[in-house]
Amino acid sequence: EIVLTQSPGTLSLSPGERATLSCRASQSVSSSSLAWYQQKPGQAPRLLIYGASSRATGIPDRFSGSGSGTDFTLTISRLEPEDFAVYYCQQYGSSPELTFGGGTKVEIK
Amino acid sequence: EVQLVESGGGLVQPGGSLRLSCAASGFTFSTYWMHWVRQAPGKGLVWVSRIKSDDSSTSYADSVKGRFTISRDNAKNTLYLQMNSLRAEDTAVYYCGRGDTRSIGYWGQGTLVTVSS
Repeated sequence: EIVLTQSPGTLSLSPGERATLSCRASQSVSSSSLAWYQQKPGQAPRLLIYGASSRATGIPDRFSGSGSGTDFTLTISRLEPEDFAVYYCQQYGSSPELTFGGGTKVEIK
Repeated sequence: EVQLVESGGGLVQPGGSLRLSCAASGFTFSTYWMHWVRQAPGKGLVWVSRIKSDDSSTSYADSVKGRFTISRDNAKNTLYLQMNSLRAEDTAVYYCGRGDTRSIGYWGQGTLVTVSS
């Protein structure tokens, strides 16, 4: 089973700053199988990035994904007030079929 | 507009059963794989189960295998999760989701399942 480790656990930043979130896999992951989600309190997750670097429909271009192999990154170029949330990475595999990382909380400094 | 609406959650005693439903609209339900994902209070996301578009294949997390059954009715555009032998650790918000390019492109609002005596 592939384990996804997200870091840091919490990121304290101010609006307008750049956020860099890390997702490290315990084994190599196909780039086409890596996704990122945003979740706000009391809401369902929302797909941001699929295939490691493709933005989902309606996602602003300040969100970008990169990486390959075991190291993947979600970057938010300039934080907007609505971006403060928890972010999860996810990989698609065989057993279990989907695995999520533990999440990174981006909070207002 | 894609919509997924879960129902059927509630309070159930340990060892009891519950069936969740997820009503889909705004897309051709019969052509998409569907998933269930759960989230315990204050915790992260955990994948539970998946069913192929034509109901030909299902997959489960080890923690629910043998206790939960995923199914679908493509004529009614509805996804189900039958949960038996429920345990306290099954307490969570359960989300249904549409499978898209090895991810979950759309999510329902979730339904809360509480297992407690």
